[in-house]
Amino acid sequence: DTGVSQDPRHKITKRGQNVTFRCDPISEHNRLYWYRQTLGQGPEFLTYFQNEAQLEKSRLLSDRFSAERPKGSFSTLEIQRTEQGDSAMYLCASGASDEQFFGPGTRLTVL
Amino acid sequence: KQEVTQIPAALSVPEGENLVLNCSFTDSAIYNLQWFRQDPGKGLTSLLLIQSSQREQTSGRLNASLDKSSGRSTLYIAASQPGDSATYLCAVSQGNNRLAFGKGNQVVVIP
Repeated sequence: DTGVSQDPRHKITKRGQNVTFRCDPISEHNRLYWYRQTLGQGPEFLTYFQNEAQLEKSRLLSDRFSAERPKGSFSTLEIQRTEQGDSAMYLCASGASDEQFFGPGTRLTVL
Repeated sequence: KQEVTQIPAALSVPEGENLVLNCSFTDSAIYNLQWFRQDPGKGLTSLLLIQSSQREQTSGRLNASLDKSSGRSTLYIAASQPGDSATYLCAVSQGNNRLAFGKGNQVVVIP
């Protein structure tokens, strides 16, 4: 499968714990995006990488959130001290030009 | 701030009918518009990408039109099938690397 992959697909954690998600983009894509989607809503932009450089961050990305893309390949999104409001689907997308291709998402539940 | 609205929020149609899904956006200075399909609990599948200079795009039974000046796009699905049941999301890009999404049109095709 040469699409965008995300791991894990589901994560249940207790409030206050740290979690980390991984995204593997389509191999030739230099652009990588993270979005968050809550129930009944469309995805909301979190951050954007071009190669290894994080070029844009949304105000939704509080200081508890950090994203990296070492070597311009896979990316990780870490949430520290999780809160119940962080419960959502976290979606990763990649692209080489204008079109964005999404992965299956990581469903986070914070108890 | 770009606002994207999708009407109707939900609709049910009998199999074989044509589907018409509407998307409107408040800022007409867009770079492109993308339609996605999302199945329950899954990621997004890209259906069609329309550049701002284009009026429409077609793929099989799907046709999407764009009227940038009036801030509208319409997705037509011909001869609907039960497998078309899903949520359809419209997203616009203003060339700043982030997509702004609507909340989606939830479609049920009744056999």
